[in-house]
Amino acid sequence: KAGVTQTPRYLIKTRGQQVTLSCSPISGHRSVSWYQQTPGQGLQFLFEYFSETQRNKGNFPGRFSGRQFSNSRSEMNVSTLELGDSALYLCASMSGRHNEQFFGPGTRLTVL
Amino acid sequence: AQSVAQPEDQVNVAEGNPLTVKCTYSVSGNPYLFWYVQYPNRGLQFLLKYITGDNLVKGSYGFEAEFNKSQTSFHLKKPSALVSDSALYFCAVRVDNTDKLIFGTGTRLQVFP
Repeated sequence: KAGVTQTPRYLIKTRGQQVTLSCSPISGHRSVSWYQQTPGQGLQFLFEYFSETQRNKGNFPGRFSGRQFSNSRSEMNVSTLELGDSALYLCASMSGRHNEQFFGPGTRLTVL
Repeated sequence: AQSVAQPEDQVNVAEGNPLTVKCTYSVSGNPYLFWYVQYPNRGLQFLLKYITGDNLVKGSYGFEAEFNKSQTSFHLKKPSALVSDSALYFCAVRVDNTDKLIFGTGTRLQVFP
């Protein structure tokens, strides 16, 4: 089985722009979660989607949003980018509730 | 509120020696605990989990973890370290009845030849 894939792997944007990141879960996995990883704040939960519905949300401003499609693929969007949004964004998928999450390689976002 | 602590930023060990990476947790109910490893420029790889049952959990690549309820700890161990084990290790706890994970700050493991 193919693992979790994320595109693009690297992205450079400037302040004020917006960005969309994509995640394709492992085949058959219906839950997708997003995490932000930075040197200062570590790994922080953004949100989780299941069957196209947001099931949980972390403590991030409204500039961060996401969605999930009927094929379980997910996207997250960050609008009005700030320098502090520079991070590795990780997507994870899960086969069922309370199981382990499998992570993709991440998208490295740099905001200039 | 759930939380996870990894008290050591870095652990150094010689190849062939046993290794321990420490993790303590705080949860309001039954703990669901996980260990992940991250290699440079890669995502997180699942190592093992504790949901219920035996306190000694065996995982991938020869790693195991010991769940200790009285000490609220879930330390990661390996009997004989390899240079290739050098990486960043994260302990995580599941929040309440969700699938949201709270991660520790990570411990960098350096195994010297």
